[in-house]
Amino acid sequence: QKEVEQDPGPLSVPEGAIVSLNCTYSNSAFQYFMWYRQYSRKGPELLMYTYSSGNKEDGRFTAQVDKSSKYISLFIRDSQPSDSATYLCAMSGSTGGFKTIFGAGTRLFVKA
Amino acid sequence: GAVVSQHPSWVICKSGTSVKIECRSLDFQATTMFWYRQFPKQSLMLMATSNEGSKATYEQGVEKDKFLINHASLTLSTLTVTSAHPEDSSFYICSARGSGRAIYEQYFGPGTRLTVT
Repeated sequence: QKEVEQDPGPLSVPEGAIVSLNCTYSNSAFQYFMWYRQYSRKGPELLMYTYSSGNKEDGRFTAQVDKSSKYISLFIRDSQPSDSATYLCAMSGSTGGFKTIFGAGTRLFVKA
Repeated sequence: GAVVSQHPSWVICKSGTSVKIECRSLDFQATTMFWYRQFPKQSLMLMATSNEGSKATYEQGVEKDKFLINHASLTLSTLTVTSAHPEDSSFYICSARGSGRAIYEQYFGPGTRLTVT
C-alpha cells in the first residue's frame, strides 16, 4: 500500500464548475499537508498548506484535512481554463525525518 | 516568492556519457536541496537530500555512484548522471529550502528533461 494515494484522473470539468481533488494516506504521523500545482513540463508550485486538521481558504481554493479519516481535499471554486494542470498532494511528518511524500497527481482539464 | 532555476531545461545525450544538471537558488540561501525524479503521469520520487557542505543522503534504491550530487555552496547543487542509459531518461526536478524554514517552504526548479539515446 502506498503511503499516499491520489487518483491520477484525468478529471475534465466545464469552466465555472467546482472541482474536488482528494488524497488518502496511511501514515498517522503526517502533520503537514500541502497541495502543489504543476503545469506541463514545469516544476511544482505550492498552492496551499495546512498543519494538522481543519480547513484553510485562499481565494478560490479551499484545503480540508480530516485526520480521523486520513483524507485531504482541495476544492477549486469557479474553475478557469488556466486551472488546467496536475495537482499533487504532499504530506510530511516527524517520522522519516520530515520527508515530504507526494501523491501521484491528478490531471485536471477545465474546458472553456 | 523564492526562485529556483535549473540548467539545462532539456538535454539529449548518448548512452554511456555523463550529464550534469545544475540547480540554483537565485534569491535565497538554500541550506537543503532535494533532487527528484518524475516519470510521465507519476509522482515525484525523492532521489536524495543534500545539505550544503555535507554528503548527500540517498534514498533506498538510488545508486549514489551513478547519481553524483554536489552541494558545494548555499546557492548551487549539481546532479551528475554518470554513464547514462536509456532507462535514466526522465524528468529531474530539484527543490531548495532555506535554513530554519518550514517543511512546506520548499521551492521547486522548472525541471530538466533528460533523454538518453
